[in-house]
Amino acid sequence: DQQVKQNSPSLSVQEGRISILNCDYTNSMFDYFLWYKKYPAEGPTFLISISSIKDKNEDGRFTVFLNKSAKHLSLHIVPSQPGDSAVYFCAAKLNAGNNRKLIWGLGTSLAVNP
Amino acid sequence: DAGITQSPRHKVTETGTPVTLRCHQTENHRYMYWYRQDPGHGLRLIHYSYGVKDTDKGEVSDGYSVSRSKTEDFLLTLESATSSQTSVYFCAISAQRGLQYFGPGTRLTVL
Repeated sequence: DQQVKQNSPSLSVQEGRISILNCDYTNSMFDYFLWYKKYPAEGPTFLISISSIKDKNEDGRFTVFLNKSAKHLSLHIVPSQPGDSAVYFCAAKLNAGNNRKLIWGLGTSLAVNP
Repeated sequence: DAGITQSPRHKVTETGTPVTLRCHQTENHRYMYWYRQDPGHGLRLIHYSYGVKDTDKGEVSDGYSVSRSKTEDFLLTLESATSSQTSVYFCAISAQRGLQYFGPGTRLTVL
């Protein structure tokens, strides 16, 4: 049973437009959410995160929004660039003692077209 | 760059042979992880370690064992490789608050 769901396997957008990647979760005990980007033949790289006590975090072109009541978070990339083409993973951490394990979504492949 | 290396980067082996993958970190972090990535399955945790000689199973641990005799090294062993273990394997270390940094990956093919 997927506790972290990325329901769109792929997304295609035009360069300069906004990319919105979505992630839904089922466990209300998650206290920290992260987005990772992965290029082919490389390891995932951390992109941006948000604590469950916040509803927005921004870093340059990347903004993550958290809607706790809907158990939904989204990653906005504005403006999208061809170099943003990659697989994006959403991950969540349980608020449980010293737990450092992450629960991962299956990823969304983003293609930004010139 | 989080100072994580994996070796080998590519390996082709035959069914039934033992295989050991190595993860080395220079960051002195306590937590280390082994994942596999397969199409349609995302990242799945195999085993993790929360200190020297302290390890625990992840969600897909069958057929894998790990060892951590030093803080900087975390070894993943396939005792008898099977074709279903053909995958890309990633090592990760955990910094603050669950944030994980990943190595470059090892592509393993079991024929």
